[in-house]
Amino acid sequence: KNEVEQSPQNLTAQEGEFITINCSYSVGISALHWLQQHPGGGIVSLFMLSSGKKKHGRLIATINIQEKHSSLHITASHPRDSAVYICAITGAGSYQLTFGKGTKLSVIP
Amino acid sequence: DTGVSQDPRHKITKRGQNVTFRCDPISEHNRLYWYRQTLGQGPEFLTYFQNEAQLEKSRLLSDRFSAERPKGSFSTLEIQRTEQGDSAMYLCASSLARTTRDTEAFFGQGTRLTVV
Repeated sequence: KNEVEQSPQNLTAQEGEFITINCSYSVGISALHWLQQHPGGGIVSLFMLSSGKKKHGRLIATINIQEKHSSLHITASHPRDSAVYICAITGAGSYQLTFGKGTKLSVIP
Repeated sequence: DTGVSQDPRHKITKRGQNVTFRCDPISEHNRLYWYRQTLGQGPEFLTYFQNEAQLEKSRLLSDRFSAERPKGSFSTLEIQRTEQGDSAMYLCASSLARTTRDTEAFFGQGTRLTVV
């Protein structure tokens, strides 16, 4: 079993829909990261959080440390949001990232 | 500073050849990471440096793989006697460690290796 599990693996949404991607992990962490990867490979960090909630534009990330669960929400989705969204953790006492397999999001106009 | 840069972006090589990739991190970042990503999977950790010291290596890093960061700035990842299973995207990331907490990691565009 992977230390980081994401759901769903694939998600297709109509433009304007509210989107939720979930991430569960099984170990103690110092931080959880949400990352965005576009075709071609480049990865962009969206959020790094260790508690509570963060918001940036139309993106919201929440984390529940007790339940070892995080969600990434996209409000008013747009075709340019189409990408792979990856959840990753920094384990307690560790420095490298452990990644989930990613959620491929397609937003249709 | 334009962020983390990797060179080359793409590399096609014949099986058995050696390849070397370069990563230039964000200049003030003291931590540098190498990850490998195969199609449809999330990246997997290979190794990381704090300044010039290589502090951790994954079991994925066989003896054909070697990484260096000689002056604590750029890093190279060399793969000797490449195999088809080495075909993947090789990602470099850097971060700034402050006391016991790390900042977010910034990633390069990756080097896509194809071994034929």
